[in-house]
Amino acid sequence: EDKVVQSPLSLVVHEGDTVTLNCSYEVTNFRSLLWYKQEKKAPTFLFMLTSSGIEKKSGRLSSILDKKELFSILNITATQTGDSAVYLCAVTGGYQKVTFGTGTKLQVIP
Amino acid sequence: DAGVTQSPTHLIKTRGQQVTLRCSPKSGHDTVSWYQQALGQGPQFIFQYYEEEERQRGNFPDRFSGHQFPNYSSELNVNALLLGDSALYLCASSTGTAMFYGYTFGSGTRLTVV
Repeated sequence: EDKVVQSPLSLVVHEGDTVTLNCSYEVTNFRSLLWYKQEKKAPTFLFMLTSSGIEKKSGRLSSILDKKELFSILNITATQTGDSAVYLCAVTGGYQKVTFGTGTKLQVIP
Repeated sequence: DAGVTQSPTHLIKTRGQQVTLRCSPKSGHDTVSWYQQALGQGPQFIFQYYEEEERQRGNFPDRFSGHQFPNYSSELNVNALLLGDSALYLCASSTGTAMFYGYTFGSGTRLTVV
């Protein structure tokens, strides 16, 4: 059975700090790894990673995948209170089946 | 560009009742996946519909069933509701045959079973 483990489960930081969220996985027929941000209800898409070692970047957020060691990290620099959310990591196997981790709850305090 | 639409947004049901949740996928998407998200947990895969058929299923009992219509919209039905079915139910749409670029999620239906 496909499995995704995220760490830490929760994190409290001050504005301006840099955070690193971790995601390890086990999946058959790996296709991609996805990061989502969930603030209230609908998760919103951040990144999709398919190749090892290639960093994806969007503003203060960046992510990288290591397919050999089966993990990914999501970095957020210069955190803001608007970054407070649950960050979900997911992996895609066959037939677009997406398996999610439990998420990391990030709280950014002023 | 219409995103994924789910209805209703909130629902309260009594144990033993049946419920139907609805989802309209994003324009251009033909695949609908349903997830259950309990409080403090990640979304758990229920099943996926493509071409009006259930293409794959997660570890959920037969009380959970679904349907996809020719216009790609979908319904999730849950029979004999249990207290443990209380959760946020998320619908996600995607394209079934083209390159997968990740899901687009709806805002979910919050189901409370009392």
